Amino acid sequence: NAGVTQTPKFQVLKTGQSMTLQCAQDMNHNSMYWYRQDPGMGLRLIYYSASEGTTDKGEVPNGYNVSRLNKREFSLRLESAAPSQTSVYFCASTTGGWSYEQYFGPGTRLTVT
Amino acid sequence: DQQVKQNSPSLSVQEGRISILNCDYTNSMFDYFLWYKKYPAEGPTFLISISSIKDKNEDGRFTVFLNKSAKHLSLHIVPSQPGDSAVYFCAASRPLIQGAQKLVFGQGTRLTINP
Repeated sequence: NAGVTQTPKFQVLKTGQSMTLQCAQDMNHNSMYWYRQDPGMGLRLIYYSASEGTTDKGEVPNGYNVSRLNKREFSLRLESAAPSQTSVYFCASTTGGWSYEQYFGPGTRLTVT
Repeated sequence: DQQVKQNSPSLSVQEGRISILNCDYTNSMFDYFLWYKKYPAEGPTFLISISSIKDKNEDGRFTVFLNKSAKHLSLHIVPSQPGDSAVYFCAASRPLIQGAQKLVFGQGTRLTINP
């Protein structure tokens, strides 16, 4: 039982390049989330998926797209990376309903030059 | 608009003593509050939570207190141990659609336990 896994762990991009961050969970959770963490700030919600087949914007969605590929997988895509997207990205999941505890992956450290 | 604030970026406590981490929030719509612990190069891990209808929740060495009138919560760790050294995030939850929950995080407090 691996919990929430993320790939890659590290990535360096040039401005304008695109990439997809992958996230998978093996806990049969319904809801999945993408956050970013910047220095001196808490985690901020980018996008979420309440259940398979649905996605919605969080508080900082600009410059990102997401896909809920199936119940296990939720990917985050940067179409044209910008230096402002340099951050650590965390994926999380939860059973939904009355469960408030979100389980987090180990993170992807992204640098855009 | 910082809805959840942790005003102490760092805290240093001697081993065996009590650690108290504080958190303030502004939005009365939050219905649940959580504390997460984070080690370097790892994701946050859930520590303890409290519903907005309660004022205290205890789990072993960890106790969370909620003062709704002051919009303030605190995490007490007693006794503090070296393994407790980490960054602690306070988070407040409000419901989204279809059972999803939005967590709003504070900036974090780096706790260092000195032997």
